[in-house]
Amino acid sequence: QKEVEQNSGPLSVPEGAIASLNCTYSDRGSQSFFWYRQYSGKSPELIMSIYSNGDKEDGRFTAQLNKASQYVSLLIRDSQPSDSATYLCAVNSGGYQKVTFGIGTKLQVIP
Amino acid sequence: EAGVTQSPTHLIKTRGQQATLRCSPISGHTSVYWYQQALGLGLQFLLWYDEGEERNRGNFPPRFSGRQFPNYSSELNVNALELEDSALYLCASSKRQAQDTQYFGPGTRLTVL
Repeated sequence: QKEVEQNSGPLSVPEGAIASLNCTYSDRGSQSFFWYRQYSGKSPELIMSIYSNGDKEDGRFTAQLNKASQYVSLLIRDSQPSDSATYLCAVNSGGYQKVTFGIGTKLQVIP
Repeated sequence: EAGVTQSPTHLIKTRGQQATLRCSPISGHTSVYWYQQALGLGLQFLLWYDEGEERNRGNFPPRFSGRQFPNYSSELNVNALELEDSALYLCASSKRQAQDTQYFGPGTRLTVL
């Protein structure tokens, strides 16, 4: 059973701080990694994808991947109350393997 | 460019009935995925269709079935509804060349009474 694990939270950070969201996965053959944001009652929205070890930055968001440690993280700089949502980590092993989603971490940004 | 669309937005059924949910992918996308998200739970993979074929199936009973039409739209059927089938059903689509990058529709909220 391929698993993706996330701390369900809530993770509370003050406005303007850096929020750090973490995810571990069990399948060493995993090839692609994604972060989705889901507001309450809404559908998931793709934030970032990352395929190789290291950091990938997009605006206030940075995804970090360490395949040796089977670990992927998302940093949100200058957190805003509008960032309050559940963040889903998703992992794909390629081919016709399904994408596996973590349970999501609920982030609360306190004004 | 229009996103993934789903219908209906809400669906109320009684136990034992059948439900049919519909999804239209983003133009140019050939793969359609169905997920179930019960309240407080994560996304559970249901089905994956690509080019009209079922490519993968999650750990759900056979009363969950679906199909993909020649225009790549898809239908999810749930037979013999049970109370625990109440959930948000999400459809996602992707390009053939990037089947792991999925874009989600707004979902159908199914309530079984």
